[in-house]
Amino acid sequence: QVQLQESGPGLVKASETLSLTCTVSGASVTRSSYYWTWIRQPPGEGLEWIGYIYYSGTTRYNASLKSRVTVSVDTSKNQFSLKLTSVTAADTAVYYCARQDMATSYYFETWGRGTLVAVSS
Amino acid sequence: QSALTQPASVSGSPGQSITISCTGTSSDVGRYNLVSWYQHHPGKAPKLLLYADSRRPSGVSERFSGSKSGNTASLTISGLQADDEADYFCCAYAGPDTVPFGGGTKLTVL
Repeated sequence: QVQLQESGPGLVKASETLSLTCTVSGASVTRSSYYWTWIRQPPGEGLEWIGYIYYSGTTRYNASLKSRVTVSVDTSKNQFSLKLTSVTAADTAVYYCARQDMATSYYFETWGRGTLVAVSS
Repeated sequence: QSALTQPASVSGSPGQSITISCTGTSSDVGRYNLVSWYQHHPGKAPKLLLYADSRRPSGVSERFSGSKSGNTASLTISGLQADDEADYFCCAYAGPDTVPFGGGTKLTVL
């Protein structure tokens, strides 16, 4: 059974860098056929795709966040990570990591429970 | 504002059926047969209910079904149960550089 767990600080100061890690169990991040993805949901709003990394190291990001986002993978720890620089209050959200099928139907097969990150001024 | 439009809320009584719509455009919902639906109980991980418009993953109840007409996809839940009370959201494939989601629909079981 594949499980994903987000971890990281719940409070980040404005203008600093938000850093989160997603620990994967029950599957390897080096497996092809999946994108390892970050998604967020600001309070009272809908979900927003942030970006993904493929096992080869290929990444793609939401154009609106691209200049501030980096997604990376640590195969030795079976984790992937998110860094978002120069955060503002608008980056306050629940952040989810997810495994997305890219071989057939592009659905998000498995999600983490999410972690709330608040940006303080 | 979310890319895909869902009703904010729906409600139904136990045993009844409800339908949640997800409206996009000819570039996403209407272009590919790749709409997926998720159930989210607050505080838990979202759960995949349907993919490829209407396919159910192993383990998902037959009470959940999906359909699509033009730029609007629909999720139908039949035989409503108390545990179905949750948030539901849709997602569509729209190419490699964007992933549109619906704004989510809160289902209340009366």
